[in-house]
Amino acid sequence: QVQLVESGGGVVQPGRSLRLSCAASGFTFSTYAMHWVRQAPGKGLEWLAIISYDGSNKYFADSVKGRITISRDNSKNALYLQMNSLRAEDTAVYYCARDQSWLALGIDYFDYWGQGTLVTVSS
Amino acid sequence: SSELTQDPAVSVALGHTVRITCQGDSLRGYYASWYQQKPGQAPVLVIYGNNNRPSGIPDRFSGSTSGSTASLSITGAQAEDEADYYCNSRDNSGNLYVFGTGTKVTVL
Repeated sequence: QVQLVESGGGVVQPGRSLRLSCAASGFTFSTYAMHWVRQAPGKGLEWLAIISYDGSNKYFADSVKGRITISRDNSKNALYLQMNSLRAEDTAVYYCARDQSWLALGIDYFDYWGQGTLVTVSS
Repeated sequence: SSELTQDPAVSVALGHTVRITCQGDSLRGYYASWYQQKPGQAPVLVIYGNNNRPSGIPDRFSGSTSGSTASLSITGAQAEDEADYYCNSRDNSGNLYVFGTGTKVTVL
């Protein structure tokens, strides 16, 4: 079965960097685009970034562009999110999610989600 | 960037029907998907491509769209349907994605 397991969260001081990981299993990771989504405490979902199946294309939400990088290692079935210059407002649960696309129909959606990893930015 | 607007909260009597709406310009050109999220849990896909249910999602969940508005209906709401619901689509650029503001559904 499809499994996505995030790791790397924790407490980090403002201004520092953090790299989150997402371990994928149960499907052919190298054939799917992947997303990062976050949710601040008591708030809604915020889409952050997408990376294509081969890592050649990446897009970022305007709110975090320039501070985050998304990458993947298909040989390790792993997705990453590098976050720099962290701020208090980056405190959130960070989810990785698989992209399911029907290109011919123009349909895409997030069909599987991990359980999330909590990042707390605090001094 | 685009925005998707949802009503913050709705309530429905047990067994009755509730409709949640999601409004945004990008919905005129891109498909909507809907996600259910219960407290402390990851979101779960309930509708994709405007009106398609993934396997395992009860048929009381349905989706529709009209112009710049997507809708999620729960027909015969059950206690376990009490949750937050979020819509999603691509934004007007086609390269980015946006979630709706979320709707808390309370089953009375």
